[in-house]
Amino acid sequence: GQQVMQIPQYQHVQEGEDFTTYCNSSTTLSNIQWYKQRPGGHPVFLIQLVKSGEVKKQKRLTFQFGEAKKNSSLHITATQTTDVGTYFCSYRLGSSNTGKLIFGQGTTLQVKP
Amino acid sequence: EAEVAQSPRYKITEKSQAVAFWCDPISGHATLYWYRQILGQGPELLVQFQDESVVDDSQLPKDRFSAERLKGVDSTLKIQPAELGDSAMYLCASSSRYRDGLIEQFFGPGTRLTVL
Repeated sequence: GQQVMQIPQYQHVQEGEDFTTYCNSSTTLSNIQWYKQRPGGHPVFLIQLVKSGEVKKQKRLTFQFGEAKKNSSLHITATQTTDVGTYFCSYRLGSSNTGKLIFGQGTTLQVKP
Repeated sequence: EAEVAQSPRYKITEKSQAVAFWCDPISGHATLYWYRQILGQGPELLVQFQDESVVDDSQLPKDRFSAERLKGVDSTLKIQPAELGDSAMYLCASSSRYRDGLIEQFFGPGTRLTVL
């Protein structure tokens, strides 16, 4: 079935540095959702993008959906230790509200204080 | 703040034994999901309920896994018999009806299953 690939798989940064994770698909996606999972925790919804070229910001986090709706990125400015965790992109199969979510394998972020 | 409840949080069992996990979604959420998450990977959907009906169980190993949501509220996921490869985190999530184009899924804390 359709897959989304996330890169990098792991990223270690010094506190204060920026971080970006990318989510790529070989096919056009109708939507992208981003989730964060802290170590030992469960995924928590961050945001949904549905429009071509859409950009949304949440404080230090910037989310983008590509013009072709085949890729997305999450950028964190000036990382903090609280940003540690695994970031997953996911998309809903089809346009139906009952379509299942397909998750990428995630990017794990480590932040050195 | 309303949360998805799951129990038990941890379960250790021997292979060939039966195990069961319970999930209570956020009140009023019609859609309930069971995911399996293997360490280092993203969650994989096992089964999705809309009220009491299954809408997707294409990835559920039906020879050993079963799920039910009899009254359209809480749900049980069962594995019988458990195999070594079933060791994983089992996550339950729920979402409200489609509204404003957004279907945010709320995840429970999960059940960590270890099969020996």
